[in-house]
Amino acid sequence: GDSVTQMEGPVTLSEEAFLTINCTYTATGYPSLFWYVQYPGEGLQLLLKATKADDKGSNKGFEATYRKETTSFHLEKGSVQVSDSAVYFCALSGAGKLIFGQGTELSVKP
Amino acid sequence: EAGVAQSPRYKIIEKRQSVAFWCNPISGHATLYWYQQILGQGPKLLIQFQNNGVVDDSQLPKDRFSAERLKGVDSTLKIQPAKLEDSAVYLCASSPATTPSYNEQFFGPGTRLTVL
Repeated sequence: GDSVTQMEGPVTLSEEAFLTINCTYTATGYPSLFWYVQYPGEGLQLLLKATKADDKGSNKGFEATYRKETTSFHLEKGSVQVSDSAVYFCALSGAGKLIFGQGTELSVKP
Repeated sequence: EAGVAQSPRYKIIEKRQSVAFWCNPISGHATLYWYQQILGQGPKLLIQFQNNGVVDDSQLPKDRFSAERLKGVDSTLKIQPAKLEDSAVYLCASSPATTPSYNEQFFGPGTRLTVL
């Protein structure tokens, strides 16, 4: 069945460092892809999305490109801030439901 | 626009007790979802409603979990009797989409359940 695999955390970075969180997926058909972020004590918030191959989703300095050939949707940010500390979830939409990866915890130190 | 509302935010119960969670989706959203998020894992879909009908409950442990969405608006999820392994955050989400190909969901803050 459909599935999402994320790099394991926690990831610890210094402020202004470059961030990459890897995400690969297995799916039949052509799913939409999402990154959600979960701040401590809060629900999930949609960070960005891409609905077809080669689309680039972007928001708040984060970017991810839908790569069909490598079945990947890696999350990147050029310069992280302390406020970016959270858990990041990659997800795909298939058959009307979201399938999530296990999440990657990011901790940014001043 | 008001977001997805959930209550209570926290609940602690003893095993074998019952518990209920409430969710009010974003106004006008036809689709409502309940997820279970165990610590350190991604959310797992328990049940999906389209208006007041069940679309998918294949992952719902029906011997102890039940859910309803009366009048196609708010929803309740019940566990009876609870087990230790039910300790998790229960997330409610809603979506305006009715087609399966693109499915942006909006999540509530969740209810953190601890079963002792």
